Amino acid sequence: EDQVTQSPEALRLQEGESSSLNCSYTVSGLRGLFWYRQDPGKGPEFLFTLYSAGEEKEKERLKATLTKKESFLHITAPKPEDSATYLCAVPFSGGYNKLIFGAGTRLAVHP
Amino acid sequence: NAGVTQTPKFQVLKTGQSMTLQCAQDMNHEYMSWYRQDPGMGLRLIHYSVGAGITDQGEVPNGYNVSRSTTEDFPLRLLSAAPSQTSVYFCASSRADSYGYTFGSGTRLTVV
Repeated sequence: EDQVTQSPEALRLQEGESSSLNCSYTVSGLRGLFWYRQDPGKGPEFLFTLYSAGEEKEKERLKATLTKKESFLHITAPKPEDSATYLCAVPFSGGYNKLIFGAGTRLAVHP
Repeated sequence: NAGVTQTPKFQVLKTGQSMTLQCAQDMNHEYMSWYRQDPGMGLRLIHYSVGAGITDQGEVPNGYNVSRSTTEDFPLRLLSAAPSQTSVYFCASSRADSYGYTFGSGTRLTVV
């Protein structure tokens, strides 16, 4: 069964305190892993696509990495404006452009 | 560019009523999808479309209908609303060669 699990469910950081979010997945024939950011009351906003193990992508204080079983979203020296829910998703096995999402990690960065 | 536009933003229905959630995109994207988001459960796929005239079911299709007569529009119909359909609904679109979905701002639906 295709599944995406994110941990932790919630994370509280002090400004400048680096950490990582985890996304583990079980799907046959991974065709990509996607990270989104969602602010309260808004739709998810696309951040990164990773296609193969060992691949890394960076955007400002965020860096996403991918292994054969999981992905990490590393947040370096976070600021309060990084507070949001971070979602990861993978395409369904054998599916077209259908994504299965994890439940997300709620990140709160305090000054 | 407006991106993906969803209407209405908020809606309250009584059990048994029907309604249509509207979704329109102006990016000429081939793929469009509807998701619902419930606390602790993440986004779940309701229906999706890979082009005009082509639709298929996702994870949780029961109680919902869709059609796609044009590339731009992908309405979601609730046939007979139930309290279990209380949720936030998101429409999303993408190019056929990309999984980078663009999401609308959502419709918050309450069924009483």
